[in-house]
Amino acid sequence: KAGVTQTPRYLIKTRGQQVTLSCSPISGHRSVSWYQQTPGQGLQFLFEYFSETQRNKGNFPGRFSGRQFSNSRSEMNVSTLELGDSALYLCASSLAGATETQYFGPGTRLLVL
Amino acid sequence: EDKVVQSPLSLVVHEGDTVTLNCSYEVTNFRSLLWYKQEKKAPTFLFMLTSSGIEKKSGRLSSILDKKELFSILNITATQTGDSAVYLCAVGDAGTALIFGKGTTLSVSS
Repeated sequence: KAGVTQTPRYLIKTRGQQVTLSCSPISGHRSVSWYQQTPGQGLQFLFEYFSETQRNKGNFPGRFSGRQFSNSRSEMNVSTLELGDSALYLCASSLAGATETQYFGPGTRLLVL
Repeated sequence: EDKVVQSPLSLVVHEGDTVTLNCSYEVTNFRSLLWYKQEKKAPTFLFMLTSSGIEKKSGRLSSILDKKELFSILNITATQTGDSAVYLCAVGDAGTALIFGKGTTLSVSS
């Protein structure tokens, strides 16, 4: 089975812009979770989508949003980018949900200038 | 507040040494504890533990969970340079998501 894929792999944006990241889960996985990873904070949960519905949400501002399509592919959007949004954004999929074994994609490294 | 604490934060050992990584947690509704290995890219799954006292093994790696004392350990025997990585512990809190610790950075020198 193909693993989790994420596009793009690298991205450079400037403050105030917005960005959309994409994630394709492992075939058959209906749960997609997004995480932000920074050196200071580690891996932090953003949100989880299951069958096109947001099921859980972490403590991030409303500038961070997402959606899931009927084929389980998911997108994450960050509006009005800030310097502190520079991070590795990881997508993970699982069969049942965000507390089960997560299989991670390679991540999108976002740099905000 | 739910939290996962890993220790030590970093560790340097020689090839052939045995290492023990620690993970303690406080979560409201414990469901599972997972270990991941991250080498400059996506975290890769190592173990999932749900029951106390049952050791999970995979080659030179093993892990055990103590739900009474709220901690887990990950052991790596006969370390190799390829074991150099960040080891992440995560706890599943029922109804929410995985809560990750900050990780332990292991460096194995030859």
